[in-house]
Amino acid sequence: SAVISQKPSRDICQRGTSLTIQCQVDSQVTMMFWYRQQPGQSLTLIATANQGSEATYESGFVIDKFPISRPNLTFSTLTVSNMSPEDSSIYLCSADFRDSLTDTQYFGPGTRLTVL
Amino acid sequence: KQEVTQIPAALSVPEGENLVLNCSFTDSAIYNLQWFRQDPGKGLTSLLLIQSSQREQTSGRLNASLDKSSGRSTLYIAASQPGDSATYLCAVFNDYKLSFGAGTTVTVRA
Repeated sequence: SAVISQKPSRDICQRGTSLTIQCQVDSQVTMMFWYRQQPGQSLTLIATANQGSEATYESGFVIDKFPISRPNLTFSTLTVSNMSPEDSSIYLCSADFRDSLTDTQYFGPGTRLTVL
Repeated sequence: KQEVTQIPAALSVPEGENLVLNCSFTDSAIYNLQWFRQDPGKGLTSLLLIQSSQREQTSGRLNASLDKSSGRSTLYIAASQPGDSATYLCAVFNDYKLSFGAGTTVTVRA
């Protein structure tokens, strides 16, 4: 298994500001992912972040709103820009671990964001 | 686009009863399927992973089956305990992405 940490664990932010969430993995991985979980909803994939290339965004998510960095094989950041109350969610990062048998995704503990 | 459905949305049982959680998906060309547990306000804990070539996986009181051709998976939890109370999420991996169901929220009454 893997250990994935996120910082901050929670934050309360004002409308119009930005927040950067950090995700650290305890081993090197090629593929990392960012998800959003709105209140009472399941997880929605925001983007896939591969080291050495630009992030790939899912429909409905754009780089200007959710810029992502992936500077090395163990770290990624997600920024939520120009926040509004609709951005209040849990944001989770995950990492894909591939062995000879399969791919397994492990998740960080999430960042609970409240926008006032 | 992969669609994942979980039934029921919520389930309440007395302690000791067996739990049956259902998951269905529309695109059978999956690489694997994972069952996760999520406690309120927390991240996800991976419970079981079934590869597309497998029919089932077991871990302790948990057993998950997979029928890829019909697009179904079932998670069985034997002899439920209050500590099993959580939301259980099913997710299928294909096209290098996980697609999640909405989850089944389980309450086990002492």
